[in-house]
Amino acid sequence: SQQGEEDPQALSIQEGENATMNCSYKTSINNLQWYRQNSGRGLVHLILIRSNEREKHSGRLRVTLDTSKKSSSLLITASRAADTASYFCATGFQKLVFGTGTRLLVSP
Amino acid sequence: SQTIHQWPATLVQPVGSPLSLECTVEGTSNPNLYWYRQAAGRGLQLLFYSVGIGQISSEVPQNLSASRPQDRQFILSSKKLLLSDSGFYLCAWSWDSAKNIQYFGAGTRLSVL
Repeated sequence: SQQGEEDPQALSIQEGENATMNCSYKTSINNLQWYRQNSGRGLVHLILIRSNEREKHSGRLRVTLDTSKKSSSLLITASRAADTASYFCATGFQKLVFGTGTRLLVSP
Repeated sequence: SQTIHQWPATLVQPVGSPLSLECTVEGTSNPNLYWYRQAAGRGLQLLFYSVGIGQISSEVPQNLSASRPQDRQFILSSKKLLLSDSGFYLCAWSWDSAKNIQYFGAGTRLSVL
């Protein structure tokens, strides 16, 4: 079964707004990753947060992790049209299990 | 630097025909290799993974098989394609099992008609 479930399934915002995506998982983790997928392309790794970290930043990305709630969030600040893509969380040791993804549409 | 090549980009095959998708990685040795399938608008389903030459783990019993004849080559095959084999196939590699950050190929869009 899917380890991660993203929420919302789809998100539509205007350029300059912030986008927040949430991920829930079911079992204990060592780390959690977020990936981005442009339409019809392969996935690209964005950021990894370890189980002992609560927050991590990378450029306009901010990831939080709450292991007590088994949830993570990805915040994209000051979004751009180029951020339009699907975003997936993933967990796992040797095998990654991906969530169903959030489709983000950023309109100019 | 490491690169991953996956081909072909698109493929249209009749039902009952064979399949061979190839994935190669450059610039690294002994990578972990993965095959995923993605249905339209959905997440990724892990099909096979390999931690070394000739070592293949199957995650989902199905009409497909995988082989790793060389260290940096991973092949996805089928003897007879089914309509349900249509989808977007992605190959990926990683080198650190602890973090397991994966690097993906561009994908193959397979349509079985």
